[in-house]
Amino acid sequence: NAGVTQTPKFQVLKTGQSMTLQCAQDMNHNSMYWYRQDPGMGLRLIYYSASEGTTDKGEVPNGYNVSRLNKREFSLRLESAAPSQTSVYFCASRLQGSLAKNIQYFGAGTRLSVL
Amino acid sequence: GNSVTQMEGPVTLSEEAFLTINCTYTATGYPSLFWYVQYPGEGLQLLLKATKADDKGSNKGFEATYRKETTSFHLEKGSVQVSDSAVYFCALSGVQGAQKLVFGQGTRLTINP
Repeated sequence: NAGVTQTPKFQVLKTGQSMTLQCAQDMNHNSMYWYRQDPGMGLRLIYYSASEGTTDKGEVPNGYNVSRLNKREFSLRLESAAPSQTSVYFCASRLQGSLAKNIQYFGAGTRLSVL
Repeated sequence: GNSVTQMEGPVTLSEEAFLTINCTYTATGYPSLFWYVQYPGEGLQLLLKATKADDKGSNKGFEATYRKETTSFHLEKGSVQVSDSAVYFCALSGVQGAQKLVFGQGTRLTINP
């Protein structure tokens, strides 16, 4: 029962470095999401992919890019990391359709520090 | 736009106390409402949900009722346990398109034995 798997779990970057956060789900879900979690601000949507082949900006997309590689995988890339991107990043997925009742399933998170 | 406002935390209670965490929302149409829980070091898990007015979601002794007249979805539990210590997030989802979740800021709950 893997569900939503995120790698890595922890990462430390220097300002200006780039990296890609990986996310994969094995539930045959259509939609996938990337959120960031900051103290006192809940989770904010960075990008999402409603279905394979589509991606759209969320609330806080600046400084990020995404790739929906296939139905299973949705990656988040930081091209030039900044200290303001220090956060915990969560990937989530959702099965479309009325039976799904809008439930999103979350990975365990990636804790990123940018120095 | 859609928004969720949660009770400020942190909240500290003794074991077996009654818990209420307030949540109110602003949304167009008829959103679905959720409570997610995040245990230390883990991702978010769905705790309960309600998809229409007057629905009551329940799970693990927690309950919340979708009140459209007061735009609220308050979380309650009659007798909390130490194992309920976690961060609780209220969220809503629109009914169209990608059904993105909008979260409240989270409420950290600590239960002392």
